[in-house]
Amino acid sequence: AQSVTQPDIHITVSEGASLELRCNYSYGATPYLFWYVQSPGQGLQLLLKYFSGDTLVQGIKGFEAEFKRSQSSFNLRKPSVHWSDAAEYFCAVGLMFSGGYNKLIFGAGTRLAVHP
Amino acid sequence: NAGVTQTPKFRILKIGQSMTLQCAQDMNHNYMYWYRQDPGMGLKLIYYSVGAGITDKGEVPNGYNVSRSTTEDFPLRLELAAPSQTSVYFCASSEGTGNTIYFGEGSWLTVV
Repeated sequence: AQSVTQPDIHITVSEGASLELRCNYSYGATPYLFWYVQSPGQGLQLLLKYFSGDTLVQGIKGFEAEFKRSQSSFNLRKPSVHWSDAAEYFCAVGLMFSGGYNKLIFGAGTRLAVHP
Repeated sequence: NAGVTQTPKFRILKIGQSMTLQCAQDMNHNYMYWYRQDPGMGLKLIYYSVGAGITDKGEVPNGYNVSRSTTEDFPLRLELAAPSQTSVYFCASSEGTGNTIYFGEGSWLTVV
């Protein structure tokens, strides 16, 4: 069965430090991959997505992610974290079916705290 | 530039009551979805629709119903609310297969 694993439930970093959030997926074909961010009390905002092509994708707010097929991973990175990046981050896999619809499978999320 | 709009944002229900969460999108998207988010569980798909008049069950459909009479609207009906339905509900839409899914801001529902 398809699944998305975010191994780190909670991460704390200092402001200005680098960040890497891990995401591993289980899926037979090349998936569509997404990172979403959710601030407290807010909806989900798309950070970046990978459909095909260059395996290093750039997103909003200075985030990037790298798709590694051999490791079934799509880790999110940021070179220097800002206090406003404190939020919950969700990795998701977009699945295509013969019926043609697009379904997202989400990981459980990683909550990021930023120390000043 | 409204995108996906959900109402109400907050609601408290008593056990056994019914209610409808409204969702509307103004992007002319064919695909619409309802997810629920429970702490530490990510989002789970309740129902989805690939176009007006077509709906299907997702991962956790029990206790819910949907309808899709127009492209714009995709209401979620809770019949006989139960405490297990206390959650945050997100409506979403996308243009088509392989496209980005856009989320509403969520509806916080508490059943007491």
